[in-house]
Amino acid sequence: QKEVEQNSGPLSVPEGAIASLNCTYSDRGSQSFFWYRQYSGKSPELIMFIYSNGDKEDGRFTAQLNKASQYVSLLIRDSQPSDSATYLCAVQAGGTSYGKLTFGQGTILTVHP
Amino acid sequence: DADVTQTPRNRITKTGKRIMLECSQTKGHDRMYWYRQDPGLGLRLIYYSFDVKDINKGEISDGYSVSRQAQAKFSLSLESAIPNQTALYFCATSDWNTEAFFGQGTRLTVV
Repeated sequence: QKEVEQNSGPLSVPEGAIASLNCTYSDRGSQSFFWYRQYSGKSPELIMFIYSNGDKEDGRFTAQLNKASQYVSLLIRDSQPSDSATYLCAVQAGGTSYGKLTFGQGTILTVHP
Repeated sequence: DADVTQTPRNRITKTGKRIMLECSQTKGHDRMYWYRQDPGLGLRLIYYSFDVKDINKGEISDGYSVSRQAQAKFSLSLESAIPNQTALYFCATSDWNTEAFFGQGTRLTVV
């Protein structure tokens, strides 16, 4: 089982819609969870991080964490064509591998006008 | 100047050659990472280090080695490059309470 899994997509949504990106992880002791956006050929850039169960909102972005289900998601409201990119979920381990940062395979999002 | 600097940015090398990719950071972070990116496979962890005396293998360490020369410097070596090591390589740094900050990437082609 992969440590961090995402639906690779591609996910296509119309402009103005809500895009929903999902991620599951295998290490129940994981501490911190991150969503990065990556444009083609560029470095990943942080969108949001979340540490506690529940929702965290920042502008058009909402991260949701459910540690019992080992699931983290990212919602993008009012999607814009500029949101078209690859979205990477990252999980920071706890326990004996504390701090190790593992990424999923990424979900390609396309927002069409 | 970038907080995390990778050199070279692009490199073409021949099969069997030894090559070193270098990473330096000015953020004062203890943690440094090397990742490899291939299309559709996300970022796969090669090695990571939490201080100068700490080196840990990631999920795809075979064929690679690293050296943490100082808190600010973490280099990745391919002892004998092979074509399937052609990829985009990223260095990243973080601290215990921060997200990871990435370098601009090194595009390596092994022919």
